[in-house]
Amino acid sequence: EAGVAQSPRYKIIEKRQSVAFWCNPISGHATLYWYQQILGQGPKLLIQFQNNGVVDDSQLPKDRFSAERLKGVDSTLKIQPAKLEDSAVYLCASSTRQGETEAFFGQGTRLTVV
Amino acid sequence: GENVEQHPSTLSVQEGDSAVIKCTYSDSASNYFPWYKQELGKRPQLIIDIRSNVGEKKDQRIAVTLNKTAKHFSLHITETQPEDSAVYFCAANFAGNKLTFGGGTRVLVKP
Repeated sequence: EAGVAQSPRYKIIEKRQSVAFWCNPISGHATLYWYQQILGQGPKLLIQFQNNGVVDDSQLPKDRFSAERLKGVDSTLKIQPAKLEDSAVYLCASSTRQGETEAFFGQGTRLTVV
Repeated sequence: GENVEQHPSTLSVQEGDSAVIKCTYSDSASNYFPWYKQELGKRPQLIIDIRSNVGEKKDQRIAVTLNKTAKHFSLHITETQPEDSAVYFCAANFAGNKLTFGGGTRVLVKP
């Protein structure tokens, strides 16, 4: 089966600019996660969707980050305006059942804010 | 709060020796504990997972043990090989089935 697809792979932007990331989960996976992985740290959950509904977004900086999953399939994560500390790899993952089965990760988008 | 603590942060072992990584979690209701391996520049990939209804699971050179009373679980890698060098992450599910990761352990297997 095809894996989780993410784009772009790399992005460099200046602070205060905006950026968007796209994720296409594995077909049939109802749960979709967005994680932020800062260099040398573990993935930090930003938002979790079940179909097109938000299950948890308690660690999403809502003043600058937003995410949506229209039609319960693809998802986009946006940052506006970006800060230097947003430099990280943004990982999308999907699973068949939330939190109780294997989460399959995409390759990630490496964001550098300068 | 929802927390997964992972130790050690770095681990250097001689090829052929064993490696052990330990994690503790904060929510006694957690029931799913996966371990992921992340090679440099690549995505995390599941290597083994365990559910709360068993205390141990083994897959070739890799094993995971779970102590629900103490709220900790461990990854054991036996007969380590250079290709085992990577960063390993433990994780646990919390309320709402949020999958929360530990800080990672960088394992270096020296030939």
